[in-house]
Amino acid sequence: GDSVTQMEGPVTLSEEAFLTINCTYTATGYPSLFWYVQYPGEGLQLLLKATKADDKGSNKGFEATYRKETTSFHLEKGSVQVSDSAVYFCALSDSNTGFQKLVFGTGTRLLVSP
Amino acid sequence: NAGVMQNPRHLVRRRGQEARLRCSPMKGHSHVYWYRQLPEEGLKFMVYLQKENIIDESGMPKERFSAEFPKEGPSILRIQQVVRGDSAAYFCASQGDGNQPQHFGDGTRLSIL
Repeated sequence: GDSVTQMEGPVTLSEEAFLTINCTYTATGYPSLFWYVQYPGEGLQLLLKATKADDKGSNKGFEATYRKETTSFHLEKGSVQVSDSAVYFCALSDSNTGFQKLVFGTGTRLLVSP
Repeated sequence: NAGVMQNPRHLVRRRGQEARLRCSPMKGHSHVYWYRQLPEEGLKFMVYLQKENIIDESGMPKERFSAEFPKEGPSILRIQQVVRGDSAAYFCASQGDGNQPQHFGDGTRLSIL
């Protein structure tokens, strides 16, 4: 079945450092790819998405590019802030099912210190 | 804020009791998804419903779990005869028609004593 693999955390960075969180996927079709962010005690918020190969999703300084050849969707940000501390989830949905059943990775906790 | 509303936020039950989790989707959304998040893990799909219909329940345990989304009122996830392993955060997400993203509620944290 479809699956998503993320780098294990926690990722600990100083403010203004460069961030990369790796995500790779396995899918039989051509999935849509997502990054969600979860702040403590809250639900998931959609951060960005990409629906086809070579698409770049971006939001709030975060970016990720859909790489079909490497089946990857790595999350990057050039300069992190303390407020970016959260858990980040990579996810996919199989567009062939006709509905958006999301398959999530296990999440990567990001801790940013001042 | 007319986001996805889940209640209760926290629910404590003793083994053998029933747990009812409620989810009110965003206004205009007719698609509801339930996910379960075990400690330190990602979310796992449980069930997908449209108004009055269960479309996909492939992630639901075969026993003790049921879900509904009636014509009027919130979607309900019901767990009968709860056991310690049911302790988790349960998230609901709703979606509008077309290829719109899912919007998540803040979840219900279920603890079993």
